[in-house]
Amino acid sequence: EKVLTQSPATLSVSPGERVTLSCRASQSVSSSLAWYQLKRGQAPRLLIYDASTRATGIPARFSGSGSGTEFTLTISSLQSEDFAVYYCHQYNNWPRTFGQGTKVQIK
Amino acid sequence: QVQLVQSGAEVKKPGASVRVSCEASGYAFTTYGITWVRQAPGQGLEWLGWISTYDGDTNYAQKFQGRVTMTTDTSTSTAYMELRSLTSDDTAVYCCARGTDALDIWGQGTMVTVSS
Repeated sequence: EKVLTQSPATLSVSPGERVTLSCRASQSVSSSLAWYQLKRGQAPRLLIYDASTRATGIPARFSGSGSGTEFTLTISSLQSEDFAVYYCHQYNNWPRTFGQGTKVQIK
Repeated sequence: QVQLVQSGAEVKKPGASVRVSCEASGYAFTTYGITWVRQAPGQGLEWLGWISTYDGDTNYAQKFQGRVTMTTDTSTSTAYMELRSLTSDDTAVYCCARGTDALDIWGQGTMVTVSS
């Protein structure tokens, strides 16, 4: 099973700041990695798939990069609606796995 | 529009089974697999398994092997997830999601509470 480790666990930021979240895989997952945003009481929202492709309707301030074992989700200028928990997810092989999440909270 | 609508909240006793349904609409059901994920209180997302809506092929997380069964009814565009021998550790929100790889559409979640 490929373990995904996200860092940091919690990030305290101010609106307008640039945010970088990390996801590290225990073995290569090629580019088979997605990022989701999860807000309390809502279904998860797909942000990025195939490591760097924005999903339909996702604002350009969200970008993904990386391949192999190191991945990054960047939010170029944090908006108030972006305070949430973010998860990475690998689908390179079975079983699929998720990272433990990074909470982005207001500073 | 494209959506997945899940069945309502369940309260079960330890040792019981639960079956959660996930009805798809707005797209051709058999062209996308269905993945099941859960989130326990205060915890992260946990992948339970996947089912092919085309041929019923499944892949389960080893942790749930022997205790989970995923099925589909293509006549009603509905996927089902049954979990048996429930314990308090199974208390969680269970979600279905469209996709075999990245998951682009999610159900609203079904709260399953296991309590004596």
